Amino acid sequence: IAGITQAPTSQILAAGRRMTLRCTQDMRHNAMYWYRQDLGLGLRLIHYSNTAGTTGKGEVPDGYSVSRANTDDFPLTLASAVPSQTSVYFCASSSGSQTGELFFGEGSRLTVL
Amino acid sequence: KNEVEQSPQNLTAQEGEFITINCSYSVGISALHWLQQHPGGGIVSLFMLSSGKKKHGRLIATINIQEKHSSLHITASHPRDSAVYICAAGGGSNYKLTFGKGTLLTVNP
Repeated sequence: IAGITQAPTSQILAAGRRMTLRCTQDMRHNAMYWYRQDLGLGLRLIHYSNTAGTTGKGEVPDGYSVSRANTDDFPLTLASAVPSQTSVYFCASSSGSQTGELFFGEGSRLTVL
Repeated sequence: KNEVEQSPQNLTAQEGEFITINCSYSVGISALHWLQQHPGGGIVSLFMLSSGKKKHGRLIATINIQEKHSSLHITASHPRDSAVYICAAGGGSNYKLTFGKGTLLTVNP
């Protein structure tokens, strides 16, 4: 693994189902982020974590939860998916402090029917 | 809340042309990021700056804190520069960043 790995890269999901998007980094970055990217709206922050064991809500947290049990992993869970959660999801981390350069995963395209 | 506006939204250029993409923000910031996203691809950080100017190869980023404005320049543009360029600005931690909607650049051979 080099950098940030997201899985799955693409998923079609029925409404009401539970889904977890996985994110793993091998750079030992303290801060990690989940964004969604929608046409015409740009990137919007869902949840973030400044260090293992802590998480915070971003701009659009409703319907999503995260956990940060260790430095490397930051999974995003949709407890009961809805069609409005159809989007491309990006996981990111930042080097050094919370203000460092951003490193992004390749994205996970999620379609909720 | 910080508002981040990019211009133009779309830009088409011929190979070799000098490109400028602009980013304006509404509140004081501690850092501004420029990102690049190729069609269907991931997002790559190009620059992070809080003052002055940075250069990397054919790319140059400048910021004017007083005017709350940043520019990304591409010299001798090439078709492989075709991508969406995203500006993000914020104060303090990265979780406070506000992202622009992006500028779609197409460089024709």
